[in-house]
Amino acid sequence: EDQVTQSPEALRLQEGESSSLNCSYTVSGLRGLFWYRQDPGKGPEFLFTLYSAGEEKEKERLKATLTKKESFLHITAPKPEDSATYLCAVLLFSGGYNKLIFGAGTRLAVHP
Amino acid sequence: DVKVTQSSRYLVKRTGEKVFLECVQDMDHENMFWYRQDPGLGLRLIYFSYDVKMKEKGDIPEGYSVSREKKERFSLILESASTNQTSMYLCASSWTSLWTDTQYFGPGTRLTVL
Repeated sequence: EDQVTQSPEALRLQEGESSSLNCSYTVSGLRGLFWYRQDPGKGPEFLFTLYSAGEEKEKERLKATLTKKESFLHITAPKPEDSATYLCAVLLFSGGYNKLIFGAGTRLAVHP
Repeated sequence: DVKVTQSSRYLVKRTGEKVFLECVQDMDHENMFWYRQDPGLGLRLIYFSYDVKMKEKGDIPEGYSVSREKKERFSLILESASTNQTSMYLCASSWTSLWTDTQYFGPGTRLTVL
C-alpha cells in the first residue's frame, strides 16, 4: 500500500537550533514530492517541489532534499516565525493514473 | 499572486442540513480541488475538476457532490450533513497540468455539524 509518513509529529526547537524534518514514503512510481507550510487557521502554502533523487532546493533558512525513499526539510538557525506545520505530499503514478498523497504533517514550534 | 478564496471561514450546521461550500480562484487555473483535513491524517481528496462541468471523484467522495459551472468557481455540496463530516475543508487550484503543477490553497472552512 502506498504510504507517506512524516516524523516527528511535533518538534520543539530553541531559536538558532538547526534540525531536520523527515518525509518517508513507500510508493512505487514516484513522480514528485511537494513541501508545504501551514500556519494555524490557514491553508497550506507551497514551499518546494522535488522531482528526482539527489535534487535539492533552498529558500532562506529551509533546504529540501530527496532520496529514493525519503525527503528531508532542513531548517538552519530557525526563528520563531518558522513555527508552523510542515506538510509533504508525494505524487505517484499507480494503477494507470496519478495520485497525490499527503503526510499528516510535522508541527514545529521555535521558541526564543 | 494567486488568490483562492472560500466563502466562509467558520460554519455551524445541523445534522441533515444541505451545506454549500464555495471556492473562487482568480488566476484562470484549469484545475480545482476539494480536500478535507482532520487531526492526525493527511489532506484527503474529495473531488477534483480539470475543466468546467468536468469532475472526478477523489479518495473519499461519499456524502459529497460538486459543481463547476464557471472556470473560477468550484462548489462542494453536502447533501445531508452528518456529524462525521465535521472537519476543515480546503479548496485548491492549479494551472494546467492536473497533478504536477503546484496547488494553491484557500484559507479553509472549518465546518461543525451538530
